Amino acid sequence: KQEVTQIPAALSVPEGENLVLNCSFTDSAIYNLQWFRQDPGKGLTSLLLIQSSQREQTSGRLNASLDKSSGRSTLYIAASQPGDSATYLCAVRRVAGNMLTFGGGTRLMVKP
Amino acid sequence: GAVVSQHPSWVICKSGTSVKIECRSLDFQATTMFWYRQFPKQSLMLMATSNEGSKATYEQGVEKDKFLINHASLTLSTLTVTSAHPEDSSFYICSARRTGGISEAFFGQGTRLTVV
Repeated sequence: KQEVTQIPAALSVPEGENLVLNCSFTDSAIYNLQWFRQDPGKGLTSLLLIQSSQREQTSGRLNASLDKSSGRSTLYIAASQPGDSATYLCAVRRVAGNMLTFGGGTRLMVKP
Repeated sequence: GAVVSQHPSWVICKSGTSVKIECRSLDFQATTMFWYRQFPKQSLMLMATSNEGSKATYEQGVEKDKFLINHASLTLSTLTVTSAHPEDSSFYICSARRTGGISEAFFGQGTRLTVV
């Protein structure tokens, strides 16, 4: 059974800092990995999708890497802003089947 | 990105009544949609996989007679919470994946259900 873990569970940083969110998964047989952002009481916004054959994806100040063999992904946020405050979730899709398995999320607070 | 619309965004109902939540893919076709439940400060737990034109596949521990799922078209799936009880109060989120494509999942904005 795939298990996804996110560390840290919560993070508070001053504005402008570069930060790294970690995601690990137990079964390396994944199809892809997706990072999402969730604001309180809202749905999920897809940030980055990394296919299993890819090593990283970039979008603006966000960079996600994938090391499938070690079961790890990181989300790098450059020059953090208060508007980045949210919960960040990573999710992996199995090779067989369509379901996503989610990590517990990292609650990020960026202070002005 | 593709748009998934969920309605209503919040609902309050009395115990014993039924509530229907709609999930629509607005600009793409979705053979498969997914329904998740999220408790406060917890991650998403998959409830069921909804397949267009066939029966939904429920995860272990999810009562299929209580959470009725219908996926009648390529753009609409509905979740009906029947005979709702206060313990059904939660945040329900749907997800849709394009038919074909790179299998990126897109999520609705969620529905906050409160049963009183």
